[in-house]
Amino acid sequence: GQSLEQPSEVTAVEGAIVQINCTYQTSGFYGLSWYQQHDGGAPTFLSYNALDGLEETGRFSSFLSRSDSYGYLLLQELQMKDSASYFCAPYSGYALNFGKGTSLLVTP
Amino acid sequence: NAGVTQTPKFQVLKTGQSMTLQCAQDMNHEYMSWYRQDPGMGLRLIHYSVGAGITDQGEVPNGYNVSRSTTEDFPLRLLSAAPSQTSVYFCASSPTGTSGRGGYEQYFGPGTRLTVT
Repeated sequence: GQSLEQPSEVTAVEGAIVQINCTYQTSGFYGLSWYQQHDGGAPTFLSYNALDGLEETGRFSSFLSRSDSYGYLLLQELQMKDSASYFCAPYSGYALNFGKGTSLLVTP
Repeated sequence: NAGVTQTPKFQVLKTGQSMTLQCAQDMNHEYMSWYRQDPGMGLRLIHYSVGAGITDQGEVPNGYNVSRSTTEDFPLRLLSAAPSQTSVYFCASSPTGTSGRGGYEQYFGPGTRLTVT
């Protein structure tokens, strides 16, 4: 079967670092995507990991361990505008499987 | 580039009515998809297409039809609207990656907020 686990809510202080974990169980796994969605907005693509290891894009980094079926999104130097929902989404080669996401609240 | 456009932005339907949600992209992406998002939930895939003339079902296809006659357009048809179809509908498109597959880097439209009474 398929399963996807992320924390439902995370709170962090402006300027801090936060890690959002994702564990998955899926058939036909090709890689792991991450998306950000602000309230009332559309999801936007952040990153994709096809191989094990860390991918860095500015303040955001994403990590994948295929053997552990585990990944995380690391957000550094948090800003108020980073308050949003974050979705990990395993990619099966033809579709993404979105979970319920993690709601991140950044406080002053 | 306009990216992915969706019309209408808002729609109210009565139970049993039919309608088509429009989606277009100008990025020459082969892959397109439709999702629905309900409050507090993630996105659930309704239908997707890997190119013109090719469509396939996602996780929740019942009550919806799609067609892909051109690369640019991917309309979603609600056959007979039901209150359970009240949701926000997102269309997305994706370029084909180096692996020859598309779908992991998707660009979303602004969404259509549909209410069925």
